[in-house]
Amino acid sequence: EVLLVESGGRLVKPGESLTLSCSASGFIFNTHVMNWVRQAPGKGLEWVSSISSKGKYKYYADSVKGRFTISRDTAKNSLYLQMDSLRAEDTAVYYCARDQPDSGTSRPYWGRGTLVTVSS
Amino acid sequence: EFVLTQSPGTLSLSLGERATLSCRASQSVSSGYIAWYQQKPDQGPRLLIYGASRRATGIPDRFSGSGSGTDFTLTISRLEPEDFAVYYCQRYGSSPQTFGQGTTVEVK
Repeated sequence: EVLLVESGGRLVKPGESLTLSCSASGFIFNTHVMNWVRQAPGKGLEWVSSISSKGKYKYYADSVKGRFTISRDTAKNSLYLQMDSLRAEDTAVYYCARDQPDSGTSRPYWGRGTLVTVSS
Repeated sequence: EFVLTQSPGTLSLSLGERATLSCRASQSVSSGYIAWYQQKPDQGPRLLIYGASRRATGIPDRFSGSGSGTDFTLTISRLEPEDFAVYYCQRYGSSPQTFGQGTTVEVK
């Protein structure tokens, strides 16, 4: 069974940094693209960042480019999101999501999310 | 820039009625990488459909997805009480991923 479990969300002040983690199990981690998606309170879903299966390629939404860094650790089956210079508008539930494999196709999977609140 | 436009914004229907939700892409979607999600208050998104028309495990067969190219549809054949929620379409399999703005299905 595919399982994605996010952690690390908490209350932080504007300008501070935070790292989110996502622990993956039930599939071969280094064969899938992974994503972070967020949802601000009362708003829709917003893609944040993607990383290729081996970590070579990384993509970011314009709203977080230069402030957030995505990474992955195959040995730990984990995905990370380093968030710097946090702003109030970064307040959201952050979801870890599995995308497509290197070959073939498969359904997306999501974790349950972790809440990040940026407030003074 | 790739954009997904969902319509209508709100759909007001009665129990047992048929719901038809539209998702239009600004460019053709390769390999039918369109997914549909249902979201209820204080819950995360629940995958309903992927690959434009494949039902996820455990999803009732009253939910169906169709379409290709730039036009995709989610149909709920007969609305049940638990179906009143917000629905999102998503283009996946490419970066950046893109979401539609959502359609709310509400009780008439």
